[in-house]
Amino acid sequence: AQTVTQSQPEMSVQEAETVTLSCTYDTSESNYYLFWYKQPPSRQMILVIRQEAYKQQNATENRFSVNFQKAAKSFSLKISDSQLGDTAMYFCAFSIGGSQGNLIFGKGTKLSVKP
Amino acid sequence: GAVVSQHPSRVICKSGTSVKIECRSLDFQATTMFWYRQFPKQSLMLMATSNEGSKATYEQGVEKDKFLINHASLTLSTLTVTSAHPEDSSFYICSARDNRVMNTEAFFGQGTRLTVV
Repeated sequence: AQTVTQSQPEMSVQEAETVTLSCTYDTSESNYYLFWYKQPPSRQMILVIRQEAYKQQNATENRFSVNFQKAAKSFSLKISDSQLGDTAMYFCAFSIGGSQGNLIFGKGTKLSVKP
Repeated sequence: GAVVSQHPSRVICKSGTSVKIECRSLDFQATTMFWYRQFPKQSLMLMATSNEGSKATYEQGVEKDKFLINHASLTLSTLTVTSAHPEDSSFYICSARDNRVMNTEAFFGQGTRLTVV
């Protein structure tokens, strides 16, 4: 069975600074996807970034980047130049390759960006 | 990105009644839809996966007779909570994807907050 672990229930960061959210996972699959989702107070799930396991290069999306360590089964999210609008719950998620919808979520990290 | 519309956003119902939640893909064909449940301050838990024209596949511990899922078209899936009880109060979220399109993600609806009184 696949599991996703987020060990930081809450994090805070000053506006314009950088913060890293941790995620580890466990699977015996070789083909899978990893995701970071953002859930603001509106509770709409927003995809932040996605990483295919077969790609060695870390995914980046503007201020968001990941550090994907496949051997260590680690998938951390770095947010640079944090903005007040980044305040939200962040969920790390896993899906087996090909499905990309049957998501297994971690418990989430509540990120607060302080002015 | 693609749009998934979920309706209603909030519903309050009396104990013992049934509630239907709709999930529509507005600009793509959703061959597969997923239904999640999220308790307050907790993560999302997959309840079931539905493929258009087929019976839904339920996760372990989810009562299929209580949570009826219908996915009769490529743009609409419904979740009916039958004989609702206060413990069914939760936030329900659907997501949808087109399995025929390679490398595409699943898109989420806005969620439905169900309160059973």
